[in-house]
Amino acid sequence: GAGVSQTPSNKVTEKGKYVELRCDPISGHTALYWYRQSLGQGPEFLIYFQGTGAADDSGLPNDRFFAVRPEGSVSTLKIQRTERGDSAVYLCASSFVARGGGPSPDDTQYFGPGTRLTVL
Amino acid sequence: KNQVEQSPQSLIILEGKNCTLQCNYTVSPFSNLRWYKQDTGRGPVSLTIMTFSENTKSNGRYTATLDADTKQSSLHITASQLSDSASYICVVSASTSGTYKYIFGTGTRLKVLA
Repeated sequence: GAGVSQTPSNKVTEKGKYVELRCDPISGHTALYWYRQSLGQGPEFLIYFQGTGAADDSGLPNDRFFAVRPEGSVSTLKIQRTERGDSAVYLCASSFVARGGGPSPDDTQYFGPGTRLTVL
Repeated sequence: KNQVEQSPQSLIILEGKNCTLQCNYTVSPFSNLRWYKQDTGRGPVSLTIMTFSENTKSNGRYTATLDADTKQSSLHITASQLSDSASYICVVSASTSGTYKYIFGTGTRLKVLA
């Protein structure tokens, strides 16, 4: 597709359950990011991948959260033993390169619409 | 501690009026600064990107300024339209030894009224 897609768009689960959130980045983008956004807040960084490897996972709140990107394209964010505090919108973004500096717009992050996770 | 603070938290203006949103940051070492627009229920969309040496950058009715000395940026919206109603998020990236951090502000929620 033309943009970043995320599925499902909404997920309602019960406390203690396991969930998987999927992100399809823009074709050719090597960097992929996961963020969590609570109501009225800016996105909070979770993890980013450069290719297949997690280049920085310092934002993952605890070991219940895990993400994979086995073939360097689609990524899955996995949350075990969900808690009510995990309720948020989970945003995925991709960029052409993870440079972050210089005048090139190559590392502009393109965001998906997010998955709204509700833990009851 | 790397932080990005935005003001005001929310703003209501009439259609056709101008407005300015503020972003102050304490991010080091600074790499670049972006403004994003986030419509309700959507992901953020990049409006402008500025590096250390750039003072101003325009994108249509949006003009961003950057003062790297005072670590302040502003986003000026000219002749506002109803479609400008959204959250505007300031994002500063820091670069350290080849790794990059993206620090997001909490955003300014703009409401444009007819």
